[in-house]
Amino acid sequence: AQSVAQPEDQVNVAEGNPLTVKCTYSVSGNPYLFWYVQYPNRGLQFLLKYITGDNLVKGSYGFEAEFNKSQTSFHLKKPSALVSDSALYFCAVRDSFYNTDKLIFGTGTRLQVFP
Amino acid sequence: DAGVTQSPTHLIKTRGQQVTLRCSPKSGHDTVSWYQQALGQGPQFIFQYYEEEERQRGNFPDRFSGHQFPNYSSELNVNALLLGDSALYLCASSLTAGGSTDTQYFGPGTRLTVL
Repeated sequence: AQSVAQPEDQVNVAEGNPLTVKCTYSVSGNPYLFWYVQYPNRGLQFLLKYITGDNLVKGSYGFEAEFNKSQTSFHLKKPSALVSDSALYFCAVRDSFYNTDKLIFGTGTRLQVFP
Repeated sequence: DAGVTQSPTHLIKTRGQQVTLRCSPKSGHDTVSWYQQALGQGPQFIFQYYEEEERQRGNFPDRFSGHQFPNYSSELNVNALLLGDSALYLCASSLTAGGSTDTQYFGPGTRLTVL
């Protein structure tokens, strides 16, 4: 079965420092991977996706993610964190087994950026 | 260009009642997926609608049903509400082309509280 794991419940980082939010995946076949962000009392906002091609994917708000097939990872990164980046981040994999493309989400990682 | 919209924003019901949640997809999208996000968890797939039919269903009981209209909008119905149905219900829209859907974009969600 397709799945993703986010090993850290919370990540703390100082403003201006680089940030990394970790995600590992388990899929049969080619992985279609996504990152979404959720602010309090809001829905999910799409950040970026990996379908195929370059292992470094650039997304919205200065975020990027590195796909690593050998380590089955898809970590989210940003060179310089902002206080406004504080939110809940979800990694997801698309389950294409039934050709319906439902998303399977991780448990989420709360990012706290301190001034 | 309006994004995905959902109504109502909040809803309070009592056990045993029935509820209907509504979703209008992003302009140009034809596929609607529904997710349930319990407190502190990642979203869980309920079902997906395309061409007015349920295309795939997650691990949810028959109390959860849906509908898609010719204008691609969708409803989620939940009968015989249980306390455990309290959650944020998210609608996501996407475009299906060549049998596969593109990126899912989420609405702000409907917060359902069952007392």
